[in-house]
Amino acid sequence: AQKITQTQPGMFVQEKEAVTLDCTYDTSDPSYGLFWYKQPSSGEMIFLIYQGSYDQQNATEGRYSLNFQKARKSANLVISASQLGDSAMYFCAMREVAGRRALTFGSGTRLQVQP
Amino acid sequence: EAQVTQNPRYLITVTGKKLTVTCSQNMNHEYMSWYRQDPGLGLRQIYYSMNVEVTDKGDVPEGYKVSRKEKRNFPLILESPSPNQTSLYFCASSFGPGSNQPQHFGDGTRLSIL
Repeated sequence: AQKITQTQPGMFVQEKEAVTLDCTYDTSDPSYGLFWYKQPSSGEMIFLIYQGSYDQQNATEGRYSLNFQKARKSANLVISASQLGDSAMYFCAMREVAGRRALTFGSGTRLQVQP
Repeated sequence: EAQVTQNPRYLITVTGKKLTVTCSQNMNHEYMSWYRQDPGLGLRQIYYSMNVEVTDKGDVPEGYKVSRKEKRNFPLILESPSPNQTSLYFCASSFGPGSNQPQHFGDGTRLSIL
C-alpha cells in the first residue's frame, strides 16, 4: 500500500491567490514526521516545512502552512499569496521512527503559478 | 553556509567504467543517505548511514557501494555502472535519524550511463 499519496498530479493557481496541495499518509507508527519539499525545474530538493505526529498546532513557515488532520491522516500544504517563483514540483514525505529512518515520498504535485 | 555538496553535478559515462559521486556536509550531521529519483518511481533510498562506519541498505542497493570513514563524507560508488543506473541522484543528511529531523539535500547529480 502507498504510504504517501498525492492525488493531484498538477495544479494551476493565479498569482497572489492561495493554493492547497493534498497529501494523505498511512502508517502504524505512533511517532512520525511529515515534511514538504519543493523541487524547482533546476532539480534541487528544498525543505519547506515539518509537522510532527504529536504536534498540537499546525506548522507554519512564512507563506507555507501545513493543515494537519491526524484522524484523517492528511497533511495538506497551503501556500498563501502565490508567486511566480512557487512554480515547481512539491513532494510530501514521511519519516517514521522505526526501520531505516528513510524519507518516504509521494509522487508529487506540479504547481504552476499563472500571472 | 550550511550545505550538502555533491560532485559532479552532471556526468555522462559508459557501461562498466567505475565512478564515484562524492557527498560532503558541513553541518556535523550523523545521518546521511543516498536517493535516486526516476520518472514514475519517485525517490527511493539506496543506502544510508547512521554514523561513521555504520552503513546499511535502503530500498534499491544493488549495483552500489558506500562508505562512511568520516562524519562529513558519504561517497556513492558504482563499481560497474549499467544503463539502468541512469538517474538523478541525491545525497541527504540530518542531525539524527529521528522522525522530527528534516533531511537536507544536495543539489543532485545527473548520471547518464551509455
